[in-house]
Amino acid sequence: GESVGLHLPTLSVQEGDNSIINCAYSNSASDYFIWYKQESGKGPQFIIDIRSNMDKRQGQRVTVLLNKTVKHLSLQIAATQPGDSAVYFCAENTFRLGFQKLVFGTGTRLLVSP
Amino acid sequence: DADVTQTPRNRITKTGKRIMLECSQTKGHDRMYWYRQDPGLGLQLIYYSFDVKDINKGEISDGYSVSRQAQAKFSLSLESAIPNQTALYFCATSDTTSGGTTTGELFFGEGSRLTVL
Repeated sequence: GESVGLHLPTLSVQEGDNSIINCAYSNSASDYFIWYKQESGKGPQFIIDIRSNMDKRQGQRVTVLLNKTVKHLSLQIAATQPGDSAVYFCAENTFRLGFQKLVFGTGTRLLVSP
Repeated sequence: DADVTQTPRNRITKTGKRIMLECSQTKGHDRMYWYRQDPGLGLQLIYYSFDVKDINKGEISDGYSVSRQAQAKFSLSLESAIPNQTALYFCATSDTTSGGTTTGELFFGEGSRLTVL
């Protein structure tokens, strides 16, 4: 079946530390994964994505790692800042018959202390 | 101004009432979606529309209906609201690439918080 889960519901870090948010997925046919950030009172915002033919992709202060062998996805945030405090969702994007289906995880709350 | 605008942002209603949540977008995207967010359950797809003449049920469409009035407008209705429809509702849009597949990236509105008493 399809499921996208997160190992930790809440992650607390100190400002300046690196943060790692993990996500497990079960659909080996999924070919595209996305991380979203949701701040309080706002809608989810795209952070970074990765296709299944890649193992790693880097953005500004963020890196996504994909391990297809164990069906694991992680989001690394370098030098975490208070503004990074939010709920982070991974989403699994599966193309079937020409359209996408996004399956979202339940989210991990990142708390950054000054 | 937001690219994806939802109205109302907050609504409190009573059981049995008809409620409409509206969504409009200025991104020029052809695809629009309605999601529901409950604490601890992530985002669940209610309905989606690939163009004005295309409406599809998502994972949890029971008790909901939608209308795609124009490319830029997609409304969600609760014909007879019930308390377990209390949730945060998000409208989203996405584009279609020239290859016919989507980029995968959804652009979300700010959300509409609905409370059914």
